[in-house]
Amino acid sequence: DTAVSQTPKYLVTQMGNDKSIKCEQNLGHDTMYWYKQDSKKFLKIMFSYNNKELIINETVPNRFSPKSPDKAHLNLHINSLELGDSAVYFCASSQSGGAGGQFFGPGTRLTVL
Amino acid sequence: AQSVTQLDSQVPVFEEAPVELRCNYSSSVSVYLFWYVQYPNQGLQLLLKYLSGSTLVKGINGFEAEFNKSQTSFHLRKPSVHISDTAEYFCAVSDLSSGSARQLTFGSGTQLTVLP
Repeated sequence: DTAVSQTPKYLVTQMGNDKSIKCEQNLGHDTMYWYKQDSKKFLKIMFSYNNKELIINETVPNRFSPKSPDKAHLNLHINSLELGDSAVYFCASSQSGGAGGQFFGPGTRLTVL
Repeated sequence: AQSVTQLDSQVPVFEEAPVELRCNYSSSVSVYLFWYVQYPNQGLQLLLKYLSGSTLVKGINGFEAEFNKSQTSFHLRKPSVHISDTAEYFCAVSDLSSGSARQLTFGSGTQLTVLP
């Protein structure tokens, strides 16, 4: 009964490739997020969707494109991968307003060679 | 814009000793405050949250935190730690002006290591 799931858990790829990470939540939440955690464990918001509408779009290269086909899914597509994209990417979800806190997935460790 | 400062990057403590992990925040508007825990190679798990009301909040695994508005702090405490509490702890703040999607701003994390 995983609340927020991500696939794949690990992703190893070459520079220049295009890859996608998928996220699904079964909590009935209407808001979903992508965070990036760097090698020093610093967490930073990348994107947020509320009811399939893009709400937060931080300063992220255009190579990163989120897509939300419905409220329960938020995918992240990355074009032309670079070495600096290596990180752990976390998906999270919450109800509007966020008073209940955000619930995080297990993360996807992306390694770009 | 808000910011979060976790004053200690690493806190070693002996098993069954008390611990306090410090967190200070900065915001021009009212905020929600959270503590998350991250075990190795796992996602973040919500420990506790402060929204309003009583300044002392209790969370899971015996942790509690106290909101101090005048000192803009939200320190996390546990009276007696266990080896299993070894993890990275993150303080986070969400300001109430950010609309339907509450952007979380995280501190840099504190690695709690419980020694036998």
